[in-house]
Amino acid sequence: GENVEQHPSTLSVQEGDSAVIKCTYSDSASNYFPWYKQELGKRPQLIIDIRSNVGEKKDQRIAVTLNKTAKHFSLHITETQPEDSAVYFCAASINDSWGKLQFGAGTQVVVTP
Amino acid sequence: EAGVAQSPRYKIIEKRQSVAFWCNPISGHATLYWYQQILGQGPKLLIQFQNNGVVDDSQLPKDRFSAERLKGVDSTLKIQPAKLEDSAVYLCASSLLLGGGYEQYFGPGTRLTVT
Repeated sequence: GENVEQHPSTLSVQEGDSAVIKCTYSDSASNYFPWYKQELGKRPQLIIDIRSNVGEKKDQRIAVTLNKTAKHFSLHITETQPEDSAVYFCAASINDSWGKLQFGAGTQVVVTP
Repeated sequence: EAGVAQSPRYKIIEKRQSVAFWCNPISGHATLYWYQQILGQGPKLLIQFQNNGVVDDSQLPKDRFSAERLKGVDSTLKIQPAKLEDSAVYLCASSLLLGGGYEQYFGPGTRLTVT
């Protein structure tokens, strides 16, 4: 089955700097890659996603890149703000797996003022 | 629109007791998921429903866990008997349609502590 690895497990950045989180997946059939943000004690919420026919997607200060050959995808947050502090999860899904998501272990991002 | 609802929010039980969780998905969402999230880990899918049928329960410990989605709307997840390692947050999610690429909306979760 699909296996998703996520790095780093913790990331501390100064406010205004950029943060990058990287994930690798094992199944080349995976074709949907969402990123979820989970604040302490709250539900995971989708912040951005990318499909395998696209190499990059951007939404204001966040962007995701996908390298299908290397089987890795990354989340980029620019101009970080204190409210970006949360745990971020990457996930991968295979189109014929009925939408089943395999999640990474998560990255705790701490933005210090 | 109203989000995914779950209850209870917190539950503390002793090992070998039973417990049940309830989930009400977003109206009109055909697909419903139950995830287990152990502290410090990503959510792990336990079971997935399409309407009232099971699509995937390959990671559900069927000797102690059961789930149903009668009438294709609300769902309940039961653990009987509970073990210490069942301590986790149980998240329910729903999506409009079956298949990859459809956003999954999560509920607030039920935090279970087994002592």
